[in-house]
Amino acid sequence: KAGVTQTPRYLIKTRGQQVTLSCSPISGHRSVSWYQQTPGQGLQFLFEYFSETQRNKGNFPGRFSGRQFSNSRSEMNVSTLELGDSALYLCASSLVPGGSYNSPLHFGNGTRLTVT
Amino acid sequence: DQQVKQNSPSLSVQEGRISILNCDYTNSMFDYFLWYKKYPAEGPTFLISISSIKDKNEDGRFTVFLNKSAKHLSLHIVPSQPGDSAVYFCAASATGYGGSQGNLIFGKGTKLSVKP
Repeated sequence: KAGVTQTPRYLIKTRGQQVTLSCSPISGHRSVSWYQQTPGQGLQFLFEYFSETQRNKGNFPGRFSGRQFSNSRSEMNVSTLELGDSALYLCASSLVPGGSYNSPLHFGNGTRLTVT
Repeated sequence: DQQVKQNSPSLSVQEGRISILNCDYTNSMFDYFLWYKKYPAEGPTFLISISSIKDKNEDGRFTVFLNKSAKHLSLHIVPSQPGDSAVYFCAASATGYGGSQGNLIFGKGTKLSVKP
């Protein structure tokens, strides 16, 4: 069974630009969550989608948005990039919303975004 | 306000000895706890979980202990191996109204180094 796939693996953008990251969940998983990892803050929750609906949203500005398609694939978009947006963006999928004791979140290898 | 805290940024242990990683939480509504392991350039991988109705869960060399009164959990690795060297994240979640699972809240991680 293929794992969670994130593309691209690396991205370099300039301040003010926008970026779109893609995530393909494990087959059969309908829940997709996005996290931002930075050295000082650890993993911070961005948002979660289940069956094309945003179920939860973290404490990030509106420049961060996402969506989920009918095949459960998800994209996240960051507009008007700032230097502080440089981070590893991780996508995770699970069978049920939020994961569960028997169905934890499974993470992809992330997209490393560098904003210059 | 950090709801999940890993107060030790790093831990160094000799091969064959026990590694103990600690995690504290503040939200008494958390009822589901997990540990993830992360190698550089990879996404976090699920290691072990525990429900709040238990105080111990064991899987091979890995055991998680939960002390609800102290709002504390720990991960024991016995015996430690050089391949265990990684960053370990503690995470917690709360079951919401209607049984839906909330998003995972992560600690900032502890970097474990196991020396041969």
